[in-house]
Order: sequence, then C-alpha cells, then structure tokens
Amino acid sequence: GIQVEQSPPDLILQEGANSTLRCNFSDSVNNLQWFHQNPWGQLINLFYIPSGTKQNGRLSATTVATERYSLLYISSSQTTDSGVYFCAVSGGSYIPTFGRGTSLIVHP
Amino acid sequence: NAGVTQTPKFRVLKTGQSMTLLCAQDMNHEYMYWYRQDPGMGLRLIHYSVGEGTTAKGEVPDGYNVSRLKKQNFLLGLESAAPSQTSVYFCASSHTGATEAFFGQGTRLTVV
Repeated sequence: GIQVEQSPPDLILQEGANSTLRCNFSDSVNNLQWFHQNPWGQLINLFYIPSGTKQNGRLSATTVATERYSLLYISSSQTTDSGVYFCAVSGGSYIPTFGRGTSLIVHP
Repeated sequence: NAGVTQTPKFRVLKTGQSMTLLCAQDMNHEYMYWYRQDPGMGLRLIHYSVGEGTTAKGEVPDGYNVSRLKKQNFLLGLESAAPSQTSVYFCASSHTGATEAFFGQGTRLTVV
C-alpha cells in the first residue's frame, strides 16, 4: 500500500513563529487531507487538497502531486495551534492512509 | 447537523468481555471506516465499508468484526476483548474514497 511520511515528528515553537510541516507519499494519490488533532483528541479537518494551494486564515497548504509531497504552513503560531497534525492520503485503493503525525507545541 | 457520532465515548472492559461500538453518520455517505489510534502510531485502519451491506478488512482487522446493515450505521464488535485492544477508536465517513472524510469524536476503550 501507499506509504506516508511526515516530518518533522516533533516541533516546538514560540508564539508568533512560522512553521512548515511536510508530508511525503510513495505513489499517486486521488485524495489528500490535513487534520489537526487538538489536545482533547478531536480530529479537525484543515484542508482537502489533492493538488494545488489553499489558504484558510493563518494556515495554508500546497500539494505537488507530481513530486509526491504536500506542505502545511502555519504563520504567526498561537498556543491554540498546539496538537498533532496528520496527513492522510488515498491512492488506488481509495482508502485513507495516515502518516504518524507531527506533534506541535507552541509556547506563550 | 451532527455529522459523525460515536457511541460510547468511554468504556472499560474486562479481558474476555464483548462489546459493540456504534458509528452513525447523517451525511448520506457511502464509505465508512473504523480506525484505531495508539501512541506514536498514527491512525491505523481496522475495517471499512464502501456501501450498505459491504465490509472489508483494513490493516489491523484481527480481533474485530463489523457490520453495515444500514447505510448510516457502521458497527465495530469486539467478541473477546484483550488488553492489546486498549486504544482510541475513530469512525469516519466520506462520499467516496476520493472525497473529504469526516471523523467522529472518538471512543476511548480500556481493557483490563
């Protein structure tokens, strides 16, 4: 099946800093999503982005499907951005496969 | 506007007991999934369904059974719970495998 690798595994920031999270995948995809898992365990949809670029407030994402990677940008980070960020992709099987996530801690 | 609802939210079982987790979605989605989340492992697929009356195995299906008798419901069963099944279980649904998936709030299960 498709392999998904996320980097970095852990990230610690001061409030106000910017960051870039990366998701690499091993095969062609027809679906790519970014999720934020907050400290209460809830999975929140951030972006559905199988290709192209999208922005939502301080967050934006870019997927370059031909080069098999996606990037999630967080600008002017806030303590509420803390949590784990997951990338999930689906290829020929049409079943979402998750990476292991990037754990983000934002200090005030 | 409930989306995906999981029942129960928390449960403690003794080894060997059985239980059923219920997932209900009100978005008329065809695809439904059950995942488990363990520390440092991300989410791993247990079973999935591509439509009413269909089920298929995912990455970690052993010890679990599922049923999709109605389009809106996807049930996950543990016939004889083991401590290794202590985990957080998430249900999700989507229109197709290539569209956005939405998750329930999770069920925290502890087997002692």
